[in-house]
Amino acid sequence: EVQLVQSGAEVKKPGESLKISCKGSGYNFTSYWIGWVRQMPGKGLEWMGIIYPGDSDTRYSPSFQGQVTMSADKSSSTAYLQWSSLEASDTAMYYCARPTGYPHWYFDLWGRGTMVTVSS
Amino acid sequence: EIVLTQSPGILSLSPGERATLSCRASQGFSNNYLSWYQQKPGQAPRLLIYGASKRATGIPDTFSGSGSGTEFTLTISRLEAEDFAVYYCQQYGSTPWTFGQGTKVEIK
Repeated sequence: EVQLVQSGAEVKKPGESLKISCKGSGYNFTSYWIGWVRQMPGKGLEWMGIIYPGDSDTRYSPSFQGQVTMSADKSSSTAYLQWSSLEASDTAMYYCARPTGYPHWYFDLWGRGTMVTVSS
Repeated sequence: EIVLTQSPGILSLSPGERATLSCRASQGFSNNYLSWYQQKPGQAPRLLIYGASKRATGIPDTFSGSGSGTEFTLTISRLEAEDFAVYYCQQYGSTPWTFGQGTKVEIK
């Protein structure tokens, strides 16, 4: 089965670091980009950026450039999203999703999401 | 950045009725690269439409997309109980890709 499996919910304090994961299976992980999408509580969807696991080429949305770091490990078919210093405003559901590929950057496969809660 | 404005914010309809959702872009973008997603509470979004009018795999023909330029529409011809959800449009013709703020289709 083609799927993206995300890591479990996280509860962190402001200033802490965090790395969440998204493991792809059932397809050639290195041949498709992986995107990340944020959804703050009760709000809409925001595209954060994409990474190509084949060579770790990464493109960030200007709104998230410098705020998060995307990475990928080909050997484990896993993409990561990390923060060095969390803020309360990072509280959100984070989805990984697979775009079909150039030039069709719509997301046809989604993970179930990782809920990140940042609270003192 | 292209801003997508969806209307109405909330659409109250009964099962069996027709739903018409609008997505307006602040400027045009390449090749009508617009998609629609459905999201139910506690679930990830699901792709419905891409390329403005092409149905994704497994999507029933009660869902249709249309439009071009800066005006796009998602139509659900006859609402089923499982269609009550939030719908988002997304443009992928110009980076940064952007989503609309969503239209909630609720049971009247």
